[in-house]
Amino acid sequence: GAGVSQSPSNKVTEKGKDVELRCDPISGHTALYWYRQSLGQGLEFLIYFQGNSAPDKSGLPSDRFSAERTGGSVSTLTIQRTQQEDSAVYLCASTGEGANYGYTFGSGTRLTVV
Amino acid sequence: AQSVAQPEDQVNVAEGNPLTVKCTYSVSGNPYLFWYVQYPNRGLQFLLKYITGDNLVKGSYGFEAEFNKSQTSFHLKKPSALVSDSALYFCAVRPGSARQLTFGSGTQLTVLP
Repeated sequence: GAGVSQSPSNKVTEKGKDVELRCDPISGHTALYWYRQSLGQGLEFLIYFQGNSAPDKSGLPSDRFSAERTGGSVSTLTIQRTQQEDSAVYLCASTGEGANYGYTFGSGTRLTVV
Repeated sequence: AQSVAQPEDQVNVAEGNPLTVKCTYSVSGNPYLFWYVQYPNRGLQFLLKYITGDNLVKGSYGFEAEFNKSQTSFHLKKPSALVSDSALYFCAVRPGSARQLTFGSGTQLTVLP
């Protein structure tokens, strides 16, 4: 597509439920990133996929968080047993080949855990 | 590990005046530096980047930034601010050897009419 698409745009869930957030990157972009933006905070790196390489999961805050990227394209971020502190905007970005590429961000998913 | 500091949470400037949003960084090796802008309820939009070459980088919407290696700074500037420039601005850095960006905490710019 023309841009990075994220769905849903908003999600309200009850504490303890599982949620799935979806990211559809720009066609042909080999790298995909997930970040979390909490209220009043900067962007916190979560996970990074590059082609067929093993993902860099170093930013995932707990084992309740996981992500996968199927077919080198769409990615799903899953949060199990959600907690109130998981409430944030989850941003996805993709980038193409070349070390000097910046990211193209999606509009994000605003997750509210009640 | 790399880090980015945006020392001002909030910057206010009158319309028509020049604006500066400050950013300093710490990274091993040659840095790749970026500025992004975020409007309310939107994702981040790319403004400009420094990879190599001329220290003064020009970007979208009339913004520019100056890379200062000795001061490890990459301040964002615009000669004449517009009310529509009001937004949240993020500085980001990564070493040339990595792909992951590290972001600053953001600076809320308000341009007053």
